[in-house]
Amino acid sequence: DAGITQSPRHKVTETGTPVTLRCHQTENHRYMYWYRQDPGHGLRLIHYSYGVKDTDKGEVSDGYSVSRSKTEDFLLTLESATSSQTSVYFCAISESSWSTSSYNEQFFGPGTRLTVL
Amino acid sequence: GQNIDQPTEMTATEGAIVQINCTYQTSGFNGLFWYQQHAGEAPTFLSYNVLDGLEEKGRFSSFLSRSKGYSYLLLKELQMKDSASYLCAVRVFTGGGNKLTFGTGTQLKVEL
Repeated sequence: DAGITQSPRHKVTETGTPVTLRCHQTENHRYMYWYRQDPGHGLRLIHYSYGVKDTDKGEVSDGYSVSRSKTEDFLLTLESATSSQTSVYFCAISESSWSTSSYNEQFFGPGTRLTVL
Repeated sequence: GQNIDQPTEMTATEGAIVQINCTYQTSGFNGLFWYQQHAGEAPTFLSYNVLDGLEEKGRFSSFLSRSKGYSYLLLKELQMKDSASYLCAVRVFTGGGNKLTFGTGTQLKVEL
C-alpha cells in the first residue's frame, strides 16, 4: 500500500472556525490531490499540486486553500468552515501526471470525516 | 466539462457475473480508471484502459471503446466481498496536467 496518511481522521467543528487537514506521503510522489466525497456527487477535485509550492484549483475550490511547502505534505485549509463543507475528504497521490506510458494511477489516503455544525 | 454516467445500484448473486457500464463525454481523453470502494474506506485502483479493447486482471476485466465513449467493468465469480461501490473515472489532459473526473459510483450488492 502507498504510504499516505491523513490527519485528523475525524473532526467536528463549528461554523466560522478555521480548519486545516493534513496529508502526508512517504512515496516521494510529485502529484498530490484533495477531493471531497458526498452522496450523489461522487469524488470531486478541490485542489491539486504538481510540485512544491505549485498548486492549482479543481472543480470545487471555493472556500478552500492549499499549501505545499514540502514534497511529503499537502495541507487543505477551510478558512471559515460552513455546514456545506461537511464531507469526507480524501487525499491522493500519483507519481507523474504527464506520462501516458504507464498507469500513473492515483493512490488514496484513508480519508478525513469532517462535520461542521 | 466532463460528463460521466454509471448506474446507481446493481444487485447480483454470489458466483455470477456482473457488468457495470460507464459512459462518458469529454475532451482531452487520456485514459479511464475503475476503482473499488468499500463502505467507510478509501478507493482502491482496479483497472486502467487507454486503448480500445479488453484488459483482464484475474476475476476483473475492463473494456473501453473510445469512439463510443463507453467502458464496462466485468466481475466474474462474484464473492460477497465484492459488495462495494465501483467508481469510473476519466483522466483528461489539461494545461495543468492530467486530472481525474469521477462518476458518482455504482453500488453493487452481492447476495447469496
